[in-house]
Amino acid sequence: DQQVKQNSPSLSVQEGRISILNCDYTNSMFDYFLWYKKYPAEGPTFLISISSIKDKNEDGRFTVFLNKSAKHLSLHIVPSQPGDSAVYFCAASVNNNDMRFGAGTRLTVKP
Amino acid sequence: EAQVTQNPRYLITVTGKKLTVTCSQNMNHEYMSWYRQDPGLGLRQIYYSMNVEVTDKGDVPEGYKVSRKEKRNFPLILESPSPNQTSLYFCASSLWTGGTDTQYFGPGTRLTVL
Repeated sequence: DQQVKQNSPSLSVQEGRISILNCDYTNSMFDYFLWYKKYPAEGPTFLISISSIKDKNEDGRFTVFLNKSAKHLSLHIVPSQPGDSAVYFCAASVNNNDMRFGAGTRLTVKP
Repeated sequence: EAQVTQNPRYLITVTGKKLTVTCSQNMNHEYMSWYRQDPGLGLRQIYYSMNVEVTDKGDVPEGYKVSRKEKRNFPLILESPSPNQTSLYFCASSLWTGGTDTQYFGPGTRLTVL
């Protein structure tokens, strides 16, 4: 039962343009959402998070949007850089417990 | 340097031969967990621990054991590995702050069971 879904396995964008990665979830009890970035041969690293009481959180080039009614969140990267090329995992949890991850989206930013 | 370490990083073994993957963190984190990553399925939680001597099952615990005798260590034990346990395994840790903290991941252990 995949409670967190990333329906796009890959995304390719041009350097300087916006990257939008999407994530859908089914469990309305999730109250904390995170995005992780993963480079090959390394563990995932935390990127940005959002609590369910907010609908937007911004950190530099990265912004996460949460639409609770649609059970959807997205990660915007503006402007995209070649170093952003990685696999991005969306994750959700109830009170930081039993965290569920999506399958990941491989982002490729072309110079 | 704050980090989560895992050993070994790569392991090829045969069905039924018991193995242990070690995980250690130097951040004095209460919460530790194990995940496996499989293509198309993302990261799935195997077991987690909220403190010493406190462990609980995650999403896919079958075939695995864990122990938490010390705060810094959280080994993953496969008593009788099978080929369907071939995967990439990640250990993670975090402070237990009730929902606001993020997890730090180890570099991963790639396990192949023949």
